[in-house]
Amino acid sequence: DSGVTQTPKHLITATGQRVTLRCSPRSGDLSVYWYQQSLDQGLQFLIQYYNGEERAKGNILERFSAQQFPDLHSELNLSSLELGDSALYFCASSVAPNPSTDTQYFGPGTRLTVL
Amino acid sequence: AQSVTQLDSHVSVSEGTPVLLRCNYSSSYSPSLFWYVQHPNKGLQLLLKYTSAATLVKGINGFEAEFKKSETSFHLTKPSAHMSDAAEYFCVVRVGGYQKVTFGTGTKLQVIP
Repeated sequence: DSGVTQTPKHLITATGQRVTLRCSPRSGDLSVYWYQQSLDQGLQFLIQYYNGEERAKGNILERFSAQQFPDLHSELNLSSLELGDSALYFCASSVAPNPSTDTQYFGPGTRLTVL
Repeated sequence: AQSVTQLDSHVSVSEGTPVLLRCNYSSSYSPSLFWYVQHPNKGLQLLLKYTSAATLVKGINGFEAEFKKSETSFHLTKPSAHMSDAAEYFCVVRVGGYQKVTFGTGTKLQVIP
């Protein structure tokens, strides 16, 4: 158990809908990262937050947005969902934002199915 | 731009025999390299990382990897496979910040009893 929690575990929704995925980082970790794992695109980094502020952006679609709250939990919002958004969404956390030295701890993921 | 290639999508070994999972990368700058393991229905777990210190990196669970700049490789090895090693392994290259992180396509390791 990494100490990172994600809810819900599974989410089934329809095209055009909007969903929110939630992540609670490990106690003491200030950085949160979101990743998408799909069959056709593999694993992709989406976005990073550090202590409430956006730190880095990867291959995140404009229909997707995220935020990190004062209690350090983070939410990933996915809107106007398409079939291709079906994937496993991982959250990870680390103590610091330093990409050279920090170790990320991954949550178990939220499996999103768009029908 | 950087890229990473995992040369085998599936590797099958017998329990107790050596494991070799191959990873080649390309990068215009000095990269950081990582290996992660993903067990079924679990998140990724960091096995080891190279960040320009020693070229031979030791990780958890007996795994190690050697950074070879001349060959642009970062192969993952383990002397003796255990049944619990059966999982998917991802090689990752990162240059600078997280804007430039690239995951390999993964290698599924099967361990035969």
